[in-house]
Amino acid sequence: KAGVTQTPRYLIKTRGQQVTLSCSPISGHRSVSWYQQTPGQGLQFLFEYFSETQRNKGNFPGRFSGRQFSNSRSEMNVSTLELGDSALYLCASSLGGTHALYGYTFGSGTRLTVV
Amino acid sequence: KQEVTQIPAALSVPEGENLVLNCSFTDSAIYNLQWFRQDPGKGLTSLLLIQSSQREQTSGRLNASLDKSSGRSTLYIAASQPGDSATYLCAVPDAGNKLTFGGGTRVLVKP
Repeated sequence: KAGVTQTPRYLIKTRGQQVTLSCSPISGHRSVSWYQQTPGQGLQFLFEYFSETQRNKGNFPGRFSGRQFSNSRSEMNVSTLELGDSALYLCASSLGGTHALYGYTFGSGTRLTVV
Repeated sequence: KQEVTQIPAALSVPEGENLVLNCSFTDSAIYNLQWFRQDPGKGLTSLLLIQSSQREQTSGRLNASLDKSSGRSTLYIAASQPGDSATYLCAVPDAGNKLTFGGGTRVLVKP
């Protein structure tokens, strides 16, 4: 079966611009989570969506937002980009039970570079 | 607040040697623990998911043990190969499905 698909794979943006990243989960998975990975901070949780509702949110500024569509595909948006937003953004999908009972499957990530 | 630690941060071994990777967590009330592999610039590949009721989980050359009471999990990779070179991460979820990751162990297997 198809894995988690993230598009685009690479992005270069200028400070102040906004960006939208996309994630298509494994078929049948209803939960999509987003993580930011940087060399200094490691992997940090952004938010989780389940059945089109944000179920959990990490400690990121309001410039980071997301949404989930009825087909479980998710997008995350970052507005007013800053240099510090340069990172690998990873999406993870799961069946959606509590406590991540069935584990997570991650996508290949989107490498965002802000110049 | 859950904290997850992986020591050492880096490890270099000759090919054929067994690898032992450690993961410790501060809150023993975990639901499960997942081990991942990450190649440079790539996403995370799930290796093993071990539920809180399990003591160990095996897949091929990989074996993960879990000791909740001591807050530790160990990933064993038997007969290491150069292709095992990667960063290995462990993660535990909270009640809200948020994963807390360790900092990872970067492994280099020398031919």
